[in-house]
Amino acid sequence: NAGVTQTPKFQVLKTGQSMTLQCAQDMNHNSMYWYRQDPGMGLRLIYYSASEGTTDKGEVPNGYNVSRLNKREFSLRLESAAPSQTSVYFCASSVQGAGTGELFFGEGSRLTVL
Amino acid sequence: RKEVEQDPGPFNVPEGATVAFNCTYSNSASQSFFWYRQDCRKEPKLLMSVYSSGNEDGRFTAQLNRASQYISLLIRDSKLSDSATYLCVVNMRGGNKLVFGAGTILRVKS
Repeated sequence: NAGVTQTPKFQVLKTGQSMTLQCAQDMNHNSMYWYRQDPGMGLRLIYYSASEGTTDKGEVPNGYNVSRLNKREFSLRLESAAPSQTSVYFCASSVQGAGTGELFFGEGSRLTVL
Repeated sequence: RKEVEQDPGPFNVPEGATVAFNCTYSNSASQSFFWYRQDCRKEPKLLMSVYSSGNEDGRFTAQLNRASQYISLLIRDSKLSDSATYLCVVNMRGGNKLVFGAGTILRVKS
């Protein structure tokens, strides 16, 4: 029962470096999401993909890009990492849109930017 | 004002106690409401949806008060395993955008 799998689980970057967070789900869900979670704040939506072939900005998209590679995979790329992007990143998926509220999350990727 | 506000706690309660959390939301047109649970350094997981008529699942009861724009979560007979952060989640605009509260920390002590 893999569900939503994220890699890597931990990463340390220097300012200006780039990296890609990978996410894959095996539940045949249509919608996928990337969130970030910072202390004292709720999860904030970075980007989402309502269905294969579509992506849309969320609340905090600046500094990030995404690719919905196929129905299973949704990657998040940081082109030039900044210390403000130090956070825990969660990928999630849902059968359809988020309106039903049931998102299935990956275990998270802890990113530190020095 | 935050769109979804929660008391961060922590709420420290003994085993067997009843504890309640409230969460307020700013948009009166919000359409659906949920409680998620997040264990320390783990991912959030859906605990329960909150319906207009209320919702009960075992020891957990969720209520919605649209007039006052808040939802509540009541936990009866608290267990040590209930210790976690409880996230209030609101679908404010329909579609794919859920707004998460920062969470309320619950610690159940023996």
